[in-house]
Amino acid sequence: QKEVEQDPGPLSVPEGAIVSLNCTYSNSAFQYFMWYRQYSRKGPELLMYTYSSGNKEDGRFTAQVDKSSKYISLFIRDSQPSDSATYLCAMSTNDYKLSFGAGTTVTVRA
Amino acid sequence: DAMVIQNPRYQVTQFGKPVTLSCSQTLNHNVMYWYQQKSSQAPKLLFHYYDKDFNNEADTPDNFQSRRPNTSFCFLDIRSPGLGDTAMYLCATSRPHSADTQYFGPGTRLTVL
Repeated sequence: QKEVEQDPGPLSVPEGAIVSLNCTYSNSAFQYFMWYRQYSRKGPELLMYTYSSGNKEDGRFTAQVDKSSKYISLFIRDSQPSDSATYLCAMSTNDYKLSFGAGTTVTVRA
Repeated sequence: DAMVIQNPRYQVTQFGKPVTLSCSQTLNHNVMYWYQQKSSQAPKLLFHYYDKDFNNEADTPDNFQSRRPNTSFCFLDIRSPGLGDTAMYLCATSRPHSADTQYFGPGTRLTVL
């Protein structure tokens, strides 16, 4: 069993739709939860960061963490074609190491 | 702008021919990381440096080595690349005890023929 599981998609939505992404994990020691966005042939860029359980909102992006269910989500409201990318969840136990999901590829159709 | 720079962006090498990838940073971060990312897979940590202290992941092949001559630069050496080493290689940096805020470079796409 992988430490972090993420549905690879691909996910295709029309412009303006809500995009819903999620990851599950097995290590209950994870405390820090991140979402990275990776455009084709580029490095990942940090999009959202959450500590422990709860919700965090930043513009059109909302990250949710449910530690009791070992489940994290990212929602993108009013999706735009520029949101087309691969979204990677990542988590850590407060050491140097990030554990990544395999990424979900999202296409927003104009 | 402060950033993480990787060179070259694309590298093609022959089976068994050594290759070196470079990474530099202007963020003055203590920690530097090397990841391998194969197509449609999660980035896999190969090793990291905390200042000059080198930390190898248990499953990193011996074929992969790294050097960090100073705070700003870090190199990935692949001594005898195999076809299975074709991948994107990502360099990242962070402050100590801040794995949650890693800054990634654009990556080097390596193809082994």
